[in-house]
Amino acid sequence: AQTVTQSQPEMSVQEAETVTLSCTYDTSESDYYLFWYKQPPSRQMILVIRQEAYKQQNATENRFSVNFQKAAKSFSLKISDSQLGDAAMYFCAYRSVNNNDMRFGAGTRLTVKP
Amino acid sequence: NAGVTQTPKFQVLKTGQSMTLQCAQDMNHEYMSWYRQDPGMGLRLIHYSVGAGITDQGEVPNGYNVSRSTTEDFPLRLLSAAPSQTSVYFCASSSSGFVGPAKRPYTFGSGTRLTVV
Repeated sequence: AQTVTQSQPEMSVQEAETVTLSCTYDTSESDYYLFWYKQPPSRQMILVIRQEAYKQQNATENRFSVNFQKAAKSFSLKISDSQLGDAAMYFCAYRSVNNNDMRFGAGTRLTVKP
Repeated sequence: NAGVTQTPKFQVLKTGQSMTLQCAQDMNHEYMSWYRQDPGMGLRLIHYSVGAGITDQGEVPNGYNVSRSTTEDFPLRLLSAAPSQTSVYFCASSSSGFVGPAKRPYTFGSGTRLTVV
């Protein structure tokens, strides 16, 4: 089974600065999807960004971008111009194309300092 | 509004009691799943279903049962609650498959916080 590892339980960033959250995964599949989800204190799971494994171009969504390194099985999230509203738990997730299963990392708690 | 509805939002059970967590979606999604979220462990898959009448086990299925009699509903049953089942439970749904522009993101319910004493 695929595993997802987030090695940073907690991160902090100064407002308006940039922070990168790390994620690595283990798989033998060649095609899959990767996601970053945000979970604010409200507990709601919010999709931040997604990446198809067959695409070499890194996904971007406004201030959020990823660095996808397929050979290294690495999928980091970069948040630019950090805002107070970015403070949350962030989960990296892997979704197999074979069984629709989605596996999550343990999460990184991001604090944004004013 | 379209989405995934979970009930109840909070529940306290005594050890040995049974209960059902309800999950319903109105998006005609084929795929539905249940996760539990524990501190430091992220979300772990309990059971999932790829369509009505079809269910399968995830990473941590022990102590839980599911059924999928309709496309809309996917209830999670705890037959004899244990303190180890204290957690936050999330239901999620998506269309199955990866063909098409939607790229099949999950839609999550708002979660159920369950405490077993």
